[in-house]
Amino acid sequence: GQSLEQPSEVTAVEGAIVQINCTYQTSGFYGLSWYQQHDGGAPTFLSYNALDGLEETGRFSSFLSRSDSYGYLLLQELQMKDSASYFCAVTPRGYSTLTFGKGTMLLVSP
Amino acid sequence: DAGVIQSPRHEVTEMGQEVTLRCKPISGHNSLFWYRQTMMRGLELLIYFNNNVPIDDSGMPEDRFSAKMPNASFSTLKIQPSEPRDSAVYFCASSLRTLGGSYGYTFGSGTRLTVV
Repeated sequence: GQSLEQPSEVTAVEGAIVQINCTYQTSGFYGLSWYQQHDGGAPTFLSYNALDGLEETGRFSSFLSRSDSYGYLLLQELQMKDSASYFCAVTPRGYSTLTFGKGTMLLVSP
Repeated sequence: DAGVIQSPRHEVTEMGQEVTLRCKPISGHNSLFWYRQTMMRGLELLIYFNNNVPIDDSGMPEDRFSAKMPNASFSTLKIQPSEPRDSAVYFCASSLRTLGGSYGYTFGSGTRLTVV
């Protein structure tokens, strides 16, 4: 089976850097994905890590360490519009579908 | 592209009634997914189609739920009869099939279902 653990809530101020962690227990998976969901909206794809290491996309970066069963999403130069829920997700080996964590609500204050 | 289109956006129905949710995936995507989102259980996969064929329906809660994909541009999720515990946001998503999800899923705006 697979389970993904994320903090339920993280708070930060505008301009700061925040890291949202994702730890997992799974027998094997292809890669780690991150999705953003604003309140009342649809989840949107942010990033994908197939290999260990850091992937950077603008203000957002994502990291994966398979040996540590751990990944994170790093958001820099936080803006108010970054207030949203962030989900990590994996595709377990042998499957073609995503299993999502419960999500982390990020609250950015002025 | 208009993205993944779902209808209706909101549905309020009485317990026991039939509910049909609709989805038009992105043209060219060969995989379609139905997810349900609740506060308690998060995002749960209900069913997955590849090239219009149901591949994994292990997430469908019970016989009251059924899904079809008659062609590459349309899918339905039906609940009959509906119950209050079915109240949730139902998302449809599509993607190009990959082993690892590297292309990402594109989600529709969802249908917020309330069963009273």
